[in-house]
Amino acid sequence: QKEVEQDPGPLSVPEGAIVSLNCTYSNSAFQYFMWYRQYSRKGPELLMYTYSSGNKEDGRFTAQVDKSSKYISLFIRDSQPSDSATYLCAMIYGNKLVFGAGTILRVKS
Amino acid sequence: DGGITQSPKYLFRKEGQNVTLSCEQNLNHDAMYWYRQDPGQGLRLIYYSQIVNDFQKGDIAEGYSVSREKKESFPLTVTSAQKNPTAFYLCASSIRVSTNSGNTIYFGEGSWLTVV
Repeated sequence: QKEVEQDPGPLSVPEGAIVSLNCTYSNSAFQYFMWYRQYSRKGPELLMYTYSSGNKEDGRFTAQVDKSSKYISLFIRDSQPSDSATYLCAMIYGNKLVFGAGTILRVKS
Repeated sequence: DGGITQSPKYLFRKEGQNVTLSCEQNLNHDAMYWYRQDPGQGLRLIYYSQIVNDFQKGDIAEGYSVSREKKESFPLTVTSAQKNPTAFYLCASSIRVSTNSGNTIYFGEGSWLTVV
């Protein structure tokens, strides 16, 4: 079993939809949670970074962490074609950083 | 601008050849990393370095070598011993490796290596 599970998609949605991207994890020691966006043939860029359970909002993006369920989510409101990318979750405990496999998102205009 | 520069962007290697991928950062970060990305497998850690002249193996170090002679530079050599080197290689850096305070990791634009 992988430490971090992420549905690879692809997830296709119409422009303007609310998108929900999710990761589950098995190790309760994970303390820090991040979401990266990666456009095709580019390096990942950091979108959101959270530490505690709860929600963190930044513009159209909301990151949610539920440590009791070992589940994190990234919500994108009013999705745009420019949001089409691969979204990677990542988690840290101690010196260990683990990435999910990434979810491909396609927003159709 | 501060950032991480990888070169070349695209590289072709013949069977049996060693190739070196360059990574330079001007963020004054102590820690640097090399990841390999294959479709459907996410990012896998090859090597990381916490400080100059020190580096540690990651999860898939076999067939790769690195050096860290300068703080800003962390080149990766893909040797002929790497049996399946065709992949997207990402260099990254962070203030330090210790993540007790949750410092984040930043990536370069990546290098595509293809064996021909």
